[in-house]
Amino acid sequence: DSGVTQTPKHLITATGQRVTLRCSPRSGDLSVYWYQQSLDQGLQFLIQYYNGEERAKGNILERFSAQQFPDLHSELNLSSLELGDSALYFCASSGTGTAPYGYTFGSGTRLTVV
Amino acid sequence: GESVGLHLPTLSVQEGDNSIINCAYSNSASDYFIWYKQESGKGPQFIIDIRSNMDKRQGQRVTVLLNKTVKHLSLQIAATQPGDSAVYFCAENIQGAQKLVFGQGTRLTINP
Repeated sequence: DSGVTQTPKHLITATGQRVTLRCSPRSGDLSVYWYQQSLDQGLQFLIQYYNGEERAKGNILERFSAQQFPDLHSELNLSSLELGDSALYFCASSGTGTAPYGYTFGSGTRLTVV
Repeated sequence: GESVGLHLPTLSVQEGDNSIINCAYSNSASDYFIWYKQESGKGPQFIIDIRSNMDKRQGQRVTVLLNKTVKHLSLQIAATQPGDSAVYFCAENIQGAQKLVFGQGTRLTINP
């Protein structure tokens, strides 16, 4: 157990729908990062939050949004889902907002859009 | 643009042999590098890291080498075991950026 908790582990939904992925960072970590991993692909950075504030943005689609709550858990919202959104979505946490040293990943949410 | 790549997408080695996984990076401002291991169905796990002011770092059965002159990073696994089968990713932290940039990954398979 890495200490980073992601729910749900698996999600199957239809095109056009909206889903929310949840991440609880490791205790004491203030930064949360979201990554997308498509089949046999690398990890694509989506967005980072630090202590509730958006800190960095990657190639995140406008249909996707995220937030970090006062208790530091984060949610990634994916809307108007398309088949191509099927992927593994990983959350990682670290203790500092200025550098990703000590990244710890969760076990991911596998999203399947049918 | 961002570019951390791997020379070989797959690597197959005999059990007990040493494995070497290579990675090229393009940003000379990168100051920190990490190797991650990802087993099937799991999230990436930290293996070893190295700062840009070093050229070698050793862990348990793993060694990371950094050659800043040619922007090359390698992961050496000694006496490869079946449990080492996984996809290995290199990642770089570009100084001043707020995220790690990951390479495509190398799949390591172990032959008995």
